[in-house]
Order: sequence, then C-alpha cells, then structure tokens
Amino acid sequence: EVQLVESGGGLVKPGGSLRLSCAASGFTFSSYNMNWVRQTPGKGLEWVASVSSTSYYIFHADSVKGRFTISRDNAKNSLYLQMNSLRAEDTAVYYCVRGTTTRYFDSWGQGALVTVSS
Amino acid sequence: DIQMTQSPSTLSASVGDRVTITCRASQSVSSWLAWYQQKPGKAPNLLIYKASNLQSGVPSRFSGSGSGTEFTLTISSLQPDDFATYYCHQYSSYWTFGQGTKVEIK
Repeated sequence: EVQLVESGGGLVKPGGSLRLSCAASGFTFSSYNMNWVRQTPGKGLEWVASVSSTSYYIFHADSVKGRFTISRDNAKNSLYLQMNSLRAEDTAVYYCVRGTTTRYFDSWGQGALVTVSS
Repeated sequence: DIQMTQSPSTLSASVGDRVTITCRASQSVSSWLAWYQQKPGKAPNLLIYKASNLQSGVPSRFSGSGSGTEFTLTISSLQPDDFATYYCHQYSSYWTFGQGTKVEIK
C-alpha cells in the first residue's frame, strides 16, 4: 500500500522558515516524480513544486519561486520542501503527492498544516 | 497559466440522482484531465485520469468524458458515500485545479 506521511508543519512568523518532509513507503520511490500541492479555503488546491525521479527536472510555481525549494533523497525515500521568507498567504495544508509517468497525481499524503502568523 | 472553471460550485441532489459536473479549460488540455473526490479533513482521492479512465477501485457509477476544453464528471446514481467536493485537474501544462464542486444532500 502506498503511504506518504508529511511532517514538519506548524506555526511560524512572517519572514520565517520551515522545512516539510514526506516519508514514502509501499512503492519504489526512486521511480516516481513527486510533488507538493497546497490547499487553502480561499484559493483551493494549488500546485507548489515538482521534482522528477532523479531530480533532473525541478519546477516551482511562480507564487513560491525564489522562496521555496523542493528536493528529494531517494536513499531515504523522502521528499522535502524548504520554505523561506514565509508570508501569511502561504498558510495552507501542504500535501505530498505522487506523480505518474503521464503526470497526473495518483496518491496523496494526509497533509501538513502550515500557519504563518505573528 | 491554464485556468480551470467548474460548474456548478454547489449542487444539491438526492440519493439515486444522476449528477453531472462540468469543467472548462481556458485553452485546450487535450485529454490530460483528472477528477478527484475530497471529503472534509481528508486528502483528495483520484477518480478519473486522462479524461475518461476510471482509477482502479473506483465504483463504475463514476464516469468522465470530454476533450480539448470541455469535460464532464457523471455519477450515474448518487450514493450516500458520494456527498463530497469534486475537483478537476489539468496536467497538460504544469498543473492547475478547478475551484471545486460541492455535492450536498437535497
């Protein structure tokens, strides 16, 4: 069974930093593209970042470019999202999501809540 | 960016009803479209991929159709477990989602 378990969420002040982690199990992690997607009540679901299976391709949404960095460690079956210069509008539930070879998202973690507030 | 627009935003229906949700893309996404179901406090769950392909384990009362810029998700006979929010998702150019359609009990 595919399992994706996020950790590292919490409350942070504007301008602060946070690192999300996602532990993957139940599949060959190194064979899959991985993604971060966030959800807010106001803006709905928003793709944040993607990394290919070997980290050759990395993409970030314009809304987080220059502030967030996606990375992965295939030896540890783990996905990461380093979030710097956080803003109130980054407050959301962040999901770790597995991508298929044709790029749709087929498995989601349970989500990690990030709250940016003073 | 490709914008995805769903209609309606909210839909009231009864058990046994046939339900149709529409998703329109601001430009062609070919058949690179997926549908997800989300229940409160849970992650989205994949129902349909490539516009009309049913994900393994998803009941056959769910179906998808369309191509280009217009797509539909149909639930042939609404069941109590189907009251949830549904999202369309294009993966033709980067990734964007519709704003969601909440299916509620009439």
